[in-house]
Amino acid sequence: GAVVSQHPSRVICKSGTSVKIECRSLDFQATTMFWYRQFPKKSLMLMATSNEGSKATYEQGVEKDKFLINHASLTLSTLTVTSAHPEDSSFYICSAGRVDEQFFGPGTRLTVL
Amino acid sequence: SQQGEEDPQALSIQEGENATMNCSYKTSINNLQWYRQNSGRGLVHLILIRSNEREKHSGRLRVTLDTSKKSSSLLITASRAADTASYFCATNKPNDYKLSFGAGTTVTVRA
Repeated sequence: GAVVSQHPSRVICKSGTSVKIECRSLDFQATTMFWYRQFPKKSLMLMATSNEGSKATYEQGVEKDKFLINHASLTLSTLTVTSAHPEDSSFYICSAGRVDEQFFGPGTRLTVL
Repeated sequence: SQQGEEDPQALSIQEGENATMNCSYKTSINNLQWYRQNSGRGLVHLILIRSNEREKHSGRLRVTLDTSKKSSSLLITASRAADTASYFCATNKPNDYKLSFGAGTTVTVRA
């Protein structure tokens, strides 16, 4: 199957700083990518749909000014957690693919102190 | 919003036994997929079943879909220690890329 990478795999930051997470489709082009958040022992919650060349579509309850998404190319989407706080600590996962099969990145563990 | 609900939440079995988990959903779907997640990792696609299909097999996996009951089951036969993971069902609506995930079933296979 296709490969989706994420960078970094782990990040620890201080409260108030911003953190950028990259999601790359390594061997295919993705006009649409998805960003999910997962709390410990919980399911994945869709945060937003990242659209290449246009604004992201955010799910209800997700602050677009807090979680900035940029999809500047067909192989790269970035999620920036702005002014991070401890409650933003979570596992963030991106995906890309077809309507009948999504390929998931390995995830980024964010810890905000 | 999440629409899949899974049961059981957790399952512990002996190596060699079968593991069955169920998923229910609420709205019309285009297809239903099952994913596996090892602890702290991303998701791996296991199998997809379309809304007009009733049963599908892939290796030791068997998936059923009952659209009248809005439910699906995943059976793992002859389980192995390496099957220890969380399993999620995910659905998407017609013409919609977005996936809605169930709560997941954590399976532990004891050697």
